[in-house]
Amino acid sequence: NAGVTQTPKFQVLKTGQSMTLQCAQDMNHNSMYWYRQDPGMGLRLIYYSASEGTTDKGEVPNGYNVSRLNKREFSLRLESAAPSQTSVYFCASSGLAGGQYFGPGTRLTVL
Amino acid sequence: TQLLEQSPQFLSIQEGENLTVYCNSSSVFSSLQWYRQEPGEGPVLLVTVVTGGEVKKLKRLTFQFGDARKDSSLHITAAQPGDTGLYLCAVEGSSYKLIFGSGTRLLVRP
Repeated sequence: NAGVTQTPKFQVLKTGQSMTLQCAQDMNHNSMYWYRQDPGMGLRLIYYSASEGTTDKGEVPNGYNVSRLNKREFSLRLESAAPSQTSVYFCASSGLAGGQYFGPGTRLTVL
Repeated sequence: TQLLEQSPQFLSIQEGENLTVYCNSSSVFSSLQWYRQEPGEGPVLLVTVVTGGEVKKLKRLTFQFGDARKDSSLHITAAQPGDTGLYLCAVEGSSYKLIFGSGTRLLVRP
C-alpha cells in the first residue's frame, strides 16, 4: 500500500497563476482532508470531505476550491495564486479506525 | 486557551535516556491520538487510544490514556537519535477537524 500520495512535491508559481494539487489514498478511507502548514506553525484545515460526493470548508478556505473526484482522490485548486498561499500543503485521509494518515506534502512557493 | 496542553515544550536528552511527554486537558475525549512530525514531513500517526486507563506499546514507546480520558502520556525508553521530532497529541473536534496539542519538540543527542 502506498498510503496517501501527493503530486507535485514542489511547485513555484507566479502571482495570479492557477494550479491543482493532487491527492490519492489507497486505504479505502471515506474521509479526506487538505491542510496547510506555514513555517513554525501548526496545521490549518482548508477543506475536508467526509465522504465521496461531499466537501466542506475548514478554517481557512478562502482562495481554494476542492473536488472529491471519487473515493480515492481529493484535489485542491488555487484559482489565482497569491504570495500568502506560499506554504506546505498536506493531504490526509481517515477511516473507521480513527486517526488521520498524511501524505508527504507539496511545497508551494508563490512569487 | 489551548484545548490540549503538552509538556514539556522542548526536550533535549542524551541517547539512551528515558523521557515522558504529557498531554493534558480539562475536557473528556472519546479517543486521543499521538503523532510524530519530522522536519519537512507530514505527521505520522503513532497510536490511537480509546479506553480510559488504556496502555499501548509500540516498541520503545508506551502510550497511556488517563482513567478519566482527559489526559495522556507518551514514555520513550532508551531514546535513540531517530526518535528526534515533534510529538503531537490530537483529538477529533467538530466537523472532523483534528485538534492538535501545542507539541513537544524532542532532540536526542548521539
